[in-house]
Parts: sequence; C-alpha cells; structure tokens
Amino acid sequence: AAGVIQSPRHLIKEKRETATLKCYPIPRHDTVYWYQQGPGQDPQFLISFYEKMQSDKGSIPDRFSAQQFSDYHSELNMSSLELGDSALYFCASGGKWGTGELFFGEGSRLTVL
Amino acid sequence: AQTVTQSQPEMSVQEAETVTLSCTYDTSESNYYLFWYKQPPSRQMILVIRQEAYKQQNATENRFSVNFQKAAKSFSLKISDSQLGDTAMYFCAFMKHAGNMLTFGGGTRLMVKP
Repeated sequence: AAGVIQSPRHLIKEKRETATLKCYPIPRHDTVYWYQQGPGQDPQFLISFYEKMQSDKGSIPDRFSAQQFSDYHSELNMSSLELGDSALYFCASGGKWGTGELFFGEGSRLTVL
Repeated sequence: AQTVTQSQPEMSVQEAETVTLSCTYDTSESNYYLFWYKQPPSRQMILVIRQEAYKQQNATENRFSVNFQKAAKSFSLKISDSQLGDTAMYFCAFMKHAGNMLTFGGGTRLMVKP
C-alpha cells in the first residue's frame, strides 16, 4: 500500500540558509500535518492543511512557511536556518478529518551546521 | 490546552512477558481521541492503537490493549507476549474530537530483552 513520502530524507544546511521539505500524502488523503521532533524530544505540531487551506497552526516559527498544492502534496519552507532547527521533520496525512487517523512518513532529518 | 504525561522515560521487559506503559492527560474536553504511537529505531511513527473517549470499552489490537480510565484521565498500554520487534519509543497522544492536532507525551523507551 502507498505510504506518505517525504523528501529529502536527509538534508545538511549552513546557518542562515534556506531549506525546503516535501511531503506527498497517501492518495485520496486531503489533510497534511507537519511535526518537528528535536533530538530526544516528542514531536511538536507545526502546521496542518485541509483541502489546500491552512487548517491549524502550532509552534511554527515565522521563518517557516508551508503550503499544500493542487495535487495535495505539501512543502515546508524554512529560511534563515538556525542551529536549533536541526530536527526530524515528520509529515503525516489523514483520510478523515478529526478522526486521528494519521499516517506518518519516515521523516526528513535536517542538520544545520 | 491539553497536556500528556508519560512518567516512565525507560522500561525494559523480557521477551514473551507483559509490560504496561503509563500515560495520563489533562483536558477540559469531553470528547476526544487517545492514541499510542510506536517509533522504532527506523524513526517512522506507527499507530499502535486508538481509543475514542466516548467509548467505554477498552480498545484492543492483537497483543496490544489499553486501560482507559476517563475519570482518572489515565490511558495505559499493555503489551502482551512482548517481542523483540516491540523495542521502540512509545508515545501517548491526544486529539480533540473534530480537531486535527496531536499532542504527544514525552515518550517511553521500551527495550525488549531476549
């Protein structure tokens, strides 16, 4: 069965650079969620989209932005990268709004040097 | 705001034995969902089990079952016949009904020993 696809799996950037992470949800899933998991920490909700519109916003820095495109894939753009942005970024997709049926991708590991 | 607390940072269990992971939460919501997610070393979060707060019957998925005590705001996970592949970080999580944001606990690292 198709799963959530995230790319790239690993990314190394310098401070103050920009990074873009991509997420391709499970086919026919119309919701996408982004989570950030720092080293040894639990995942923190960043932002979510439903039918290409932002639905909820969590602890996402102003330096980050995200959108969901017409094909339902989503991109998380991170600018002016800081050392503290080094984390595992998970994308999840959901088939039915508000049911908690989230399916996570394998994550994109961002390292900021 | 909701909070989820997992008081056991690490646990270990012998293969084939039973282990229980604890989770408590705090919310003013009356209807919500509770989850246990597993995160093995491969890092992908995998849903283990889900409980709807309005259902009194405890959810069960094969070797995994929960003890949901709504009044006490407690949601523990029991793993029976533990297997080496159960070694992972386990996260308890909360979601408001008709919401879409998961609030995770701090996780419990479970080690299954042969």
